[in-house]
Amino acid sequence: GAGVSQSPSNKVTEKGKDVELRCDPISGHTALYWYRQRLGQGLEFLIYFQGNSAPDKSGLPSDRFSAERTGESVSTLTIQRTQQEDSAVYLCASSDSGGAYEQFFGPGTRLTVL
Amino acid sequence: AQSVAQPEDQVKVAEGNPLTVKCTYSVSGNPYLFWYVQYPNRGLQFLLKYITGDNLVKGSYGFEAEFNKSQTSFHLKKPSALVSDSALYFCAVRDRISGGYNKLIFGAGTRLAVHP
Repeated sequence: GAGVSQSPSNKVTEKGKDVELRCDPISGHTALYWYRQRLGQGLEFLIYFQGNSAPDKSGLPSDRFSAERTGESVSTLTIQRTQQEDSAVYLCASSDSGGAYEQFFGPGTRLTVL
Repeated sequence: AQSVAQPEDQVKVAEGNPLTVKCTYSVSGNPYLFWYVQYPNRGLQFLLKYITGDNLVKGSYGFEAEFNKSQTSFHLKKPSALVSDSALYFCAVRDRISGGYNKLIFGAGTRLAVHP
């Protein structure tokens, strides 16, 4: 079946603009995660969805970052008033809920803020 | 707090030689441990996981990892490296917070370079 997909694959924007990143998880996966990967670094957890609710938003770096999920499918990560330090690859992952199920990752969106 | 350390930024091995990518962890309670690989311009791919049971875990592409509780390590190994194994490898541990879901804490990554 289809894996996790993300769009756009690349986004270049100017400082101060808003951007919206999209994630389509694997069908049937109730858990969805967003991570950020800065150049040369590991992954930082941003937010977790179980179904439509987001019980853990602890990783969102500021109030400029928000995310939502509709149904148990598509999720969008929105960054308002982008800053240069927001430049990174944003990765989405999905998994079956609970337990120790592995996460399946999308290819990521590379965001460059000029 | 849960944490993962990958002490080597880069590992270089010759094709055909065995490889080891090191990972140590710090968790309270029993750890859930994962290895992922990232090829250039691609997302992470799951390699293997340790939850319970045998300390030697076998995964994709001929990789295996050995869980060592006394040394709090989960090193990734392969008996014979291929040039195509060259990639960025991440070790991760499940953050055991309320809710029981798989919030993963990742190491900084180790770049594996296999030369012919």
